[in-house]
Amino acid sequence: IVLTQSPGTLSLSPGERATLSCRASRHVSTTYLAWYQQKPGQAPRLLIYDASSRAIGTPDRFSGSGSGTDFTLTISRLEPEDFAMYYCQQYGSSPLTFGGGTKVEI
Amino acid sequence: QVQLRESGPGLVRPSQTLSLTCSVSGDSISGASYYWNWIRQHPGKGLEWLGYINYSGTTYYNPSLQGRVFISVDTSKNQFSLKLFSVTAADTAVFFCARGATERRPHTWFDSWGPGTLVTVSS
Repeated sequence: IVLTQSPGTLSLSPGERATLSCRASRHVSTTYLAWYQQKPGQAPRLLIYDASSRAIGTPDRFSGSGSGTDFTLTISRLEPEDFAMYYCQQYGSSPLTFGGGTKVEI
Repeated sequence: QVQLRESGPGLVRPSQTLSLTCSVSGDSISGASYYWNWIRQHPGKGLEWLGYINYSGTTYYNPSLQGRVFISVDTSKNQFSLKLFSVTAADTAVFFCARGATERRPHTWFDSWGPGTLVTVSS
């Protein structure tokens, strides 16, 4: 399954709302989709799994939604530490795949 | 809390074999039914899942690697390892090891990652 993330870059200001899209080339079974945040020089950090479940430690300003082929990560009010790369990942079928990422920049 | 750390040479010659090890602490590879994964990230690019192994040695590899990858586990050392054969410059990447989040389920999200290690393929 090919995951296409859009936009490639999102230019926003602190306090604004961010909406990131992840579109799958085929149906992702049972909302088996995760979102990660990655900062330069660091490993990805899990934010969301099963499309909408927050991982331990994920602030509630992060929310995930969607099913089938269209998924969304929403950051309700951007904090300075939220400016980073974001990746989606599907685990409904083999091979496991990631999207190309969305950069959220100031 | 589980911690992972990758180790291995930072430079590999073209056509040679890239070998990396992931050391796991805070969890026993043989004590639970997790799947242990390798993922790479080309410089400035996205993430590519390479494959996984579990404590009993069951493996699955990304077909895109066309048989060049081998993952093994050493439960006595609480480590698992990656070999990538016949490397070229296109294999230059940061390599991460990661734990699959759900026991007994190979296809899952990743809840714990190593910090990553850069491997450069160059003569």
